[in-house]
Amino acid sequence: DAEITQSPRHKITETGRQVTLACHQTWNHNNMFWYRQDLGHGLRLIHYSYGVQDTNKGEVSDGYSVSRSNTEDLPLTLESAASSQTSVYFCAMSHHPGQGAEGDGTEAFFGQGTRLTVV
Amino acid sequence: AQSVSQHNHHVILSEAASLELGCNYSYGGTVNLFWYVQYPGQHLQLLLKYFSGDPLVKGIKGFEAEFIKSKFSFNLRKPSVQWSDTAEYFCAVNASDYKLSFGAGTTVTVRA
Repeated sequence: DAEITQSPRHKITETGRQVTLACHQTWNHNNMFWYRQDLGHGLRLIHYSYGVQDTNKGEVSDGYSVSRSNTEDLPLTLESAASSQTSVYFCAMSHHPGQGAEGDGTEAFFGQGTRLTVV
Repeated sequence: AQSVSQHNHHVILSEAASLELGCNYSYGGTVNLFWYVQYPGQHLQLLLKYFSGDPLVKGIKGFEAEFIKSKFSFNLRKPSVQWSDTAEYFCAVNASDYKLSFGAGTTVTVRA
């Protein structure tokens, strides 16, 4: 099975601190995404990457950054945590058509989520 | 950019009742369509997907969805729900950029 793991699962941090959420996948999928889930908004895209050294802003990228130094990992950093960033964060992966492996070209697989509370 | 609208925020029904959740999207080009389910405290799991071909697609757990291109709709159905179908359901679309756009979600509560 395709595997994507997030850590930590739960995190409480203080306003103004820098926080990094980890996302690791074991299937060498090109595409990786970070979403945040909030009541009434569904999931909203924060940042995404199509491959190593590639990063792009999503619709709610302010206050967040990502880096892609290898295929397996896309860590999400909150530069200076704010209470508005209290949310559940999901990492996802998908592969380009023809890359093979599990699923079809655009199906996304999600991690278990990280519940972040900023106090 | 794509946008997705789910018609119902919260649906409450009894076991064995039929379920239909509405989803409309706006996008001028070719899209891929998905329904994801999130059980309490868990991550999103794919229920079904439409890429091309037969507009009536069948997914896991007895769910199906119909793509109606002229109406930009992709409604989810299940003829007879079970208590275990209590969950949040998300409609999503993407195009060739692989980025998923999600609806706000519909919470489904099935009463035994």
